[in-house]
Amino acid sequence: GNSVTQMEGPVTLSEEAFLTINCTYTATGYPSLFWYVQYPGEGLQLLLKATKADDKGSNKGFEATYRKETTSFHLEKGSVQVSDSAVYFCALRRGDSSASKIIFGSGTRLSIRP
Amino acid sequence: DTEVTQTPKHLVMGMTNKKSLKCEQHMGHRAMYWYKQKAKKPPELMFVYSYEKLSINESVPSRFSPECPNSSLLNLHLHALQPEDSALYLCASSHDKMNTEAFFGQGTRLTVV
Repeated sequence: GNSVTQMEGPVTLSEEAFLTINCTYTATGYPSLFWYVQYPGEGLQLLLKATKADDKGSNKGFEATYRKETTSFHLEKGSVQVSDSAVYFCALRRGDSSASKIIFGSGTRLSIRP
Repeated sequence: DTEVTQTPKHLVMGMTNKKSLKCEQHMGHRAMYWYKQKAKKPPELMFVYSYEKLSINESVPSRFSPECPNSSLLNLHLHALQPEDSALYLCASSHDKMNTEAFFGQGTRLTVV
């Protein structure tokens, strides 16, 4: 079946450090891949997405590239800020209908020290 | 307008109460979802509606009863809940195209006492 595996947290970094959060997936066919971010006490916000192999999603300095050969969608940011502290979820969607499930990874909590 | 609006934001209810959670979107999305999220866990899918019809029920107990009165509204009726049902309940919606992203509301923080 379809699944998403992402690195265990929490991840603690100093401000301006480089960030990588690993995500790998298992899916049949060609899923769409997403990164969602959840700030404390809030719902999920779409951070970026990629819908086909070699697509790069980017937003707010974050990037992730859809790598079909390694079934990966790692999240990166060159210089993190305290305001990036949140929980990050990698997710995929693959289905035969418009109402197919979105499958989430377990989430990675990121804390940035000033 | 890219918002999914959920009300109320917080709800405390007794185990014998009946309450409803409401969700609204005006993006023209024809798929709507209910998710349950426990602390420090990812969201778990409960229900999916497609064109106002229930298309996925993830074996959710009958004390949770979804309703989709029209293409913009989604309700979750609650009755005889247990303390372990306390969680953040998230509503989401998406376009009627395969593999598109979902937009989430801010959630309702439910506490069952």
